[in-house]
Amino acid sequence: EAQVTQNPRYLITVTGKKLTVTCSQNMNHEYMSWYRQDPGLGLRQIYYSMNVEVTDKGDVPEGYKVSRKEKRNFPLILESPSPNQTSLYFCASSFRDTIPDTQYFGPGTRLTVL
Amino acid sequence: KNEVEQSPQNLTAQEGEFITINCSYSVGISALHWLQQHPGGGIVSLFMLSSGKKKHGRLIATINIQEKHSSLHITASHPRDSAVYICAVSTGGSNYKLTFGKGTLLTVNP
Repeated sequence: EAQVTQNPRYLITVTGKKLTVTCSQNMNHEYMSWYRQDPGLGLRQIYYSMNVEVTDKGDVPEGYKVSRKEKRNFPLILESPSPNQTSLYFCASSFRDTIPDTQYFGPGTRLTVL
Repeated sequence: KNEVEQSPQNLTAQEGEFITINCSYSVGISALHWLQQHPGGGIVSLFMLSSGKKKHGRLIATINIQEKHSSLHITASHPRDSAVYICAVSTGGSNYKLTFGKGTLLTVNP
């Protein structure tokens, strides 16, 4: 089944404890992206990747890192999480990076930073 | 930066009614996406369009590039249509950056 998976789905952690949220797609998509969703603010783009080893900042990249060493995986790294990073995170992918294409979203990861 | 405005923010309808959700944006785009998010659920892409009109079942999406406006219509609405509908635009001729509206919460009562 074609899908985007994220792990973990739920995470409660404490300030400063490094964490990684994994994202994986099995559709051989070139483009992958991370978003956060907050009440009243909607979805905002954190980072995106056009292909392996090619990443760029979205609108809210501060406090996050990403890497794209393999085409299928695009992990989101929080080196020192803070309470303002408590949010619902979505990973998404699409086939092409050069023209707009339908986005496929993962199920979301609900992160709470205490 | 593109500003994306959706209206209304909240919409309550009776089963069977015709629904319209609107989306306006401030600068030229390469494509506009309509997404659906059920309560507690993930996000599903309904449409991606750059001109004209698309139809899928009871859902119709239209876009007017000159007026920088798009509408999502739901005919014969059903309680299972209850969800948040999100408009997003991509600019720069690529998928790279998406800017999202804040969503419209639709509740369809039986």
